[in-house]
Amino acid sequence: DAKTTQPPSMDCAEGRAANLPCNHSTISGNEYVYWYRQIHSQGPQYIIHGLKNNETNEMASLIITEDRKSSTLILPHATLRDTAVYYCIVRRSGSSNTGKLIFGQGTTLQVKP
Amino acid sequence: EAGVAQSPRYKIIEKRQSVAFWCNPISGHATLYWYQQILGQGPKLLIQFQNNGVVDDSQLPKDRFSAERLKGVDSTLKIQPAKLEDSAVYLCASSPTGADSGNTIYFGEGSWLTVV
Repeated sequence: DAKTTQPPSMDCAEGRAANLPCNHSTISGNEYVYWYRQIHSQGPQYIIHGLKNNETNEMASLIITEDRKSSTLILPHATLRDTAVYYCIVRRSGSSNTGKLIFGQGTTLQVKP
Repeated sequence: EAGVAQSPRYKIIEKRQSVAFWCNPISGHATLYWYQQILGQGPKLLIQFQNNGVVDDSQLPKDRFSAERLKGVDSTLKIQPAKLEDSAVYLCASSPTGADSGNTIYFGEGSWLTVV
């Protein structure tokens, strides 16, 4: 599975957009980019995923570069409740794969008032 | 829709004792995962079930950890005997199927284990 690189920590002002980068330069054509977050003392929470196109849902937007080697998760109006560890994960598809998620260290996002 | 249910939420045991964790996945989800998360680290997959069969248990310490999903629904993860380094959060997750990367995996709140 492709590895991902994320900054260990980031700060964001409340009400502003939070842009979390992720590098996945060895991603393959059949691999999805997934984002999860983990708020203290809770299980990981699914945010969004994409393959090639940009995606948006009620929580966030996912921007994937044309070469698919990097992506950015955008929280449009960060609140204090968005303070969490954010994981960018590349997930392989195909019959030889179990579809599991392999977590790295993630980015700790601190939203400040 | 009910989420992934886990119990107990917290457990403290002495080393060399045994402990069991229970997981009830989202209704209809064929794939079930158990992850271990040590403080300060990302979750690590221990075992994956597809219905009642094991798909991947390569990271499960089989000398002390065991897991089963007898009827393809609920699952139990057991540790016997526990070591100090087993102190962690044990996360259960489920998804409709495993091999299709388009399917989302949903996690429970976790069971916190402290071994003293």
